[in-house]
Amino acid sequence: EVQLMESGGGLVKPGGSLRLSCAASGFTFSSYTMTWVRQAPGKGLEWVSSISAASSYIYYADSVKGRFAISRDNAKNSFYLQMSSLRAEDTAIYYCARDSYCAGDCLSPNDYWGRGTVVSVSS
Amino acid sequence: AIQLTQSPSSLSASVGDRVTITCRASQGISSDLAWYQQKRGTAPKLLISHASIVESGVPSRFSGSGSGTDFTLTISSLQPEDFATYYCQQFNSYPPLTFGGGTKVEIK
Repeated sequence: EVQLMESGGGLVKPGGSLRLSCAASGFTFSSYTMTWVRQAPGKGLEWVSSISAASSYIYYADSVKGRFAISRDNAKNSFYLQMSSLRAEDTAIYYCARDSYCAGDCLSPNDYWGRGTVVSVSS
Repeated sequence: AIQLTQSPSSLSASVGDRVTITCRASQGISSDLAWYQQKRGTAPKLLISHASIVESGVPSRFSGSGSGTDFTLTISSLQPEDFATYYCQQFNSYPPLTFGGGTKVEIK
């Protein structure tokens, strides 16, 4: 059974940093592009960042470029989102998700999702 | 960036009704469109990929159509468990991947 589990969310002050983790199981993690999607309170879905299977291709939304860094450790079946210079508008539920078929220089629909971890940025 | 406009933003319908949600892209995206269902407090669930390919395990009352710039999600006979918010997503041109604004389906 495919499972994704996020961790690392919490309350942080503006300008602060946080590192989210997503632990994967039930599939060959090293064969899939992985993605972070967020959802601000009461709002819609926003794609944040994706990383290809071998970390060769990395994509970011303009809203987080230069502040967030995505990475992965295929030996640990995990990937990460290092968030810095956090702003109030980064407050959201952060979901990790698997791309359904992409591994390299492409992005595809997300077929499995974690339950999400809450990030709150407030003074 | 490609913009996706969903309509309506919300609708009220009764069990058994046929429901249609539209998604319009700001430029052509071939069939590179997916539909997701999100129930309150849960993660999104992939329903349809490539505009019309229904994911395994998704009830047959869900269908998708369209290509280019205009797409539809149809629920042929609305069931109680279908009350949720639905999002379209394009994966043709990125970054960024983009989602539509969502359509909330409520009980009439």
